[in-house]
Formats: sequence, structure tokens, C-alpha cells
Amino acid sequence: DGGITQSPKYLFRKEGQNVTLSCEQNLNHDAMYWYRQDPGQGLRLIYYSQIVNDFQKGDIAEGYSVSREKKESFPLTVTSAQKNPTAFYLCASSIYRGPYNEQFFGPGTRLTVL
Amino acid sequence: ILNVEQSPQSLHVQEGDSTNFTCSFPSSNFYALHWYRWETAKSPEALFVMTLNGDEKKKGRISATLNTKEGYSYLYIKGSQPEDSATYLCAFGGGSQGNLIFGKGTKLSVKP
Repeated sequence: DGGITQSPKYLFRKEGQNVTLSCEQNLNHDAMYWYRQDPGQGLRLIYYSQIVNDFQKGDIAEGYSVSREKKESFPLTVTSAQKNPTAFYLCASSIYRGPYNEQFFGPGTRLTVL
Repeated sequence: ILNVEQSPQSLHVQEGDSTNFTCSFPSSNFYALHWYRWETAKSPEALFVMTLNGDEKKKGRISATLNTKEGYSYLYIKGSQPEDSATYLCAFGGGSQGNLIFGKGTKLSVKP
């Protein structure tokens, strides 16, 4: 079955540690996205990638980093510079970037900083 | 900062009731309006992508309308069922290369 997988489902991190969230898709989509959800807020865009080896900052990129070395994979690193990292993180993909293309989402990773 | 507003924030209905909710978005530089359904413990799934003023889309008991001139879209559910319980997200696509801007969602609970 085609889809997007994210791992782990739950992640606990101590303050000062970097952690990496995995996102893999087998839909052959060019574009991939990382969103963050906080209680009472809409999904906010962290980073996006239109194509392999290219990525751009979204609205709330500070304290995060990404890579796109393979079409299928778009891992997100939450660094110690992110001041409030506890949140729910969603990865998504679309065939191409742009407002007309529906996005397909993974199941999410809930990160808790202890 | 572009704002996408959804109302109501939450809605509780009885099985069989019909219901509707609203998404308001900027009326300028419109390209597309998306609706997603997000069930608990699952991934958000696309319901509709709407691009033309006056668009009406339908999927089973769920339908949506679009008014780009005044900047709103309605989502209707006819004869709600418990399996319709979910958070419904709308997302505004502005600009040909723009990213989607999501509203906070409307959480629907349907009681049997």
C-alpha cells in the first residue's frame, strides 16, 4: 500500500538533546512538508521540500533542521535551540508543491520534552 | 499574516442530524481551498480541493461550497453518523507557488 510512515509514534527527549523524526513516503511524490500542531492552533509549516536536495524554511523553522537526500525521505531534526519543542509533528507529501495538490499525511509523532 | 478562520470550534450533534460549518479565508490572491477530515488516531485525509468560485463538491453525504469573492466555504454533512466524528480542517492556498495555510479545525462529535 502506498502511503507515508512516520516514526516513532511517541518520542521523549531530555532538554538539551537533539532528536530526529523520521518521515518516509512511497507515493513517488516530489514535495514533502513538516507541520507542527499545538493545542488550539492550526497546523503550522516548519519546512518544505519541492525536490531532492532542496528544502525551504516555512513559517516556524527556528530550532529545526531537515535534509532531503532521497526522494522518499524527509527527516526532521529538532535541535536544542528549539525553545518549546513539545508538540505533535505531522509529515505530508504532495505530487508537486503548489496550492492545487492535495496533501497526504503521515500518522504523526508526538514529541515530549522532559 | 494571512488568517484562516473556522467556526464553530466544536459541534455536538445527534445521529441523523444534518450539520454545517464554515471556513473563512482571504478573498484576494485565491488559488485553492482544501478540506481535510482528521479522525482520532488517524492521518488527515483530503475531502475536497476547490478552485473555482461557485464550486460545489460532493462525496457521499458530505458536500462543500465555495465563494471566493467573499472568502468563505461551507462544509455540509447530511444525516450525520457516528463515523463522521472527526476534526474537519480547511486550508487556504494563495499564490501559484504558495503553501497551504490551515485553520484550527472544527471538531464534530456525533452521538448515536
